[in-house]
Amino acid sequence: EVQLVESGGDLVQPGRSLRLSCVASGFAFEDYAMHWVRQVPGKGLEWVSGISWNSGSIGYADSVKGRITLSRDNARNSLSLQMNSLRTEDTALYYCAKDLRYSWNLAAFEIWGQGTMVTVSS
Amino acid sequence: QSALTQPASVSGSPGQSITISCTGASSDVGSYNLVSWYQQHPGKAPKLMIYEVTKRPSGVSSRLSGSKSAHTASLTISGLQAEDEADYYCCSYAPSNTWVFGGGTKVTVL
Repeated sequence: EVQLVESGGDLVQPGRSLRLSCVASGFAFEDYAMHWVRQVPGKGLEWVSGISWNSGSIGYADSVKGRITLSRDNARNSLSLQMNSLRTEDTALYYCAKDLRYSWNLAAFEIWGQGTMVTVSS
Repeated sequence: QSALTQPASVSGSPGQSITISCTGASSDVGSYNLVSWYQQHPGKAPKLMIYEVTKRPSGVSSRLSGSKSAHTASLTISGLQAEDEADYYCCSYAPSNTWVFGGGTKVTVL
């Protein structure tokens, strides 16, 4: 069974940092691009970042560019999102998603995890 | 990058067909055949229903179909069923190497 399990969400103060993780199972993780997509509860979806199969290409939304870093470890089937200088507007449920293809800018978000909640508040 | 425009809500009776529009710009929906659609039930993660404008992943009902004309994409659900009641989001690849979502459409089965 294809599965994505996110972790790392927490309540943090503005300006602090947080690292989200996603562990994949049930498919050849090293062959596919991966993404983070976030959703404010009760609101719509927002793409955050995507990374190609070999980390050779990474994309970021303008709203987070310069504050977050996406990385992956194919040996550990894991994806990490380092979030710095957090803002209240970063408060959301963060989903890890598997792409249909090897590059993050070619297709769609095929499989989603259940999400991890990040709350930025003083 | 502005979000794609979707109607806030669409409704239909069981057995009917409904269409959800997703309007973007010539630079996103109009430039790329990389439009996808996602279904989200309350409290659940989104599920991919259509990708690359018209393709259905394995296991997705053939009652769902996608299309695109100029800078507007559409999702049609035929033979509406109670299980189709959910939120639907469109998504497109966009300039500056980003992905942009629509605001979402709540589908109600009357």
